[in-house]
Amino acid sequence: EVQLVQSGAEVKKPGESLKISCKVSGYSFTNYWIGWVRQMPGKGLEWMGTIYPGDSDIRYSPSFQGQVTFSADKSITTAYLQWSSLKASDTAMYYCARQYSSGLDSWGQGTLVTVSS
Amino acid sequence: QSVLTQPPSASGTPGQRVTISCSGGSSNIGSNSVSWYQQFPGTAPKLLIYTNNQRPSGVPDRFSGSKSGTSASLAISGLRSEDEADYYCAAWDVSLNGCVFGGGTKLTVL
Repeated sequence: EVQLVQSGAEVKKPGESLKISCKVSGYSFTNYWIGWVRQMPGKGLEWMGTIYPGDSDIRYSPSFQGQVTFSADKSITTAYLQWSSLKASDTAMYYCARQYSSGLDSWGQGTLVTVSS
Repeated sequence: QSVLTQPPSASGTPGQRVTISCSGGSSNIGSNSVSWYQQFPGTAPKLLIYTNNQRPSGVPDRFSGSKSGTSASLAISGLRSEDEADYYCAAWDVSLNGCVFGGGTKLTVL
């Protein structure tokens, strides 16, 4: 069974750094792209970008380029999304999802990030 | 403002057929496949349709997708109360070199 299990909710202050994770199981981690999607409170889905764990090829959405960093650790089949300096506007639910064919076919449960002073 | 345009809301009565539209352009829907997602409050989205009209295993055949030119549609037949959710379309955009989502449609079953 394909599973993506994300790390737990985080509460941070503006300016702090953060790294959230997406632990994958049930398929070959290195053979599929993993996308990251943001959902701000009460809003729609926004594609942040995608990473191919096989060779760490990365595509960032122009809206998120320079704002976040994707990475992956093949040894523990885990993908990461990180911020070096959080802003209040980063408050949102973040999802990882496996890219299959032309869709995102399996999703993590989401990680809620709250940034507040 | 989203690159793909969906109506913010749609509604129907049980048993009816409802259609949700998704309008884009030549750089996204016009040149790439469309996928559709269903999201209930407080839960992760779920893939309903990929490659314009393909259903993943486990998705009822009441859900169907179509694409024509720069627009796509999701149809739900035999509407049920449990279909009440938010629905999103998505497609790859060659100009942005990334995936774009529609703004979402909130479906209400009356």
